[in-house]
Amino acid sequence: EVQLVESGGALAQPGGSLTLSCTASGFTFEDYVMHWVRQVPGKGLEWVSGMTRDYAIIGSAESVKGRFTIARDNAKNSLSLYMDSLRDDDTATYYCVKGGYGGCFDHWGQGTLVTISS
Amino acid sequence: DIQMTQSPSSLSASVGDRVTITCRANQSINTYLNWYQQKPGKAPKLLIYAAHTLQSGVPSRFSCAGSGTDFTLTINNLQPEDFATYHCQQSYIRPPTFGQGTKLAI
Repeated sequence: EVQLVESGGALAQPGGSLTLSCTASGFTFEDYVMHWVRQVPGKGLEWVSGMTRDYAIIGSAESVKGRFTIARDNAKNSLSLYMDSLRDDDTATYYCVKGGYGGCFDHWGQGTLVTISS
Repeated sequence: DIQMTQSPSSLSASVGDRVTITCRANQSINTYLNWYQQKPGKAPKLLIYAAHTLQSGVPSRFSCAGSGTDFTLTINNLQPEDFATYHCQQSYIRPPTFGQGTKLAI
């Protein structure tokens, strides 16, 4: 069974930093593209960033470019999101997501809540 | 970025009903269209990928159609567990983008 478990969500101040982590199990992590997708409470979904199995960054949303960096460690089955210069509008639940056929998102973690507030 | 628009934003239905949700892209996305179901407080779950293929374990009362710019998700014989929010997503051109969601309520 595919499992994705996020951690690291917290309350942070504007301008601050946070690191989110995701631990994967139940599949061969090194074979798949991985992503972060976020959701503002009560709103829609927004893709944040993605990384190929061989560590190439697919891209990042314009809203986070230059501030968020995705990383992975295939040896540890882990995905990370380094978040700097946080803003109020980064407040959201962040999901670790496994890439699937044709660019779909076929498995999602339970999410971790990031709240940015002074 | 490709803009995805779902309609309606919300709808009410009853158990046993048939409902259809529409997703429209502002440019052609071939069949690179995926649908997700999300229940309150839970992560989205993949229902359909590549416009027409049901994810393993998804009941056959879910069906889908479309290509290019216009797509539909139909749920026949609504069951209590189907009341949720449905999101479409295009994976044709990066960045992947989502519709705003359609909330299906009793």
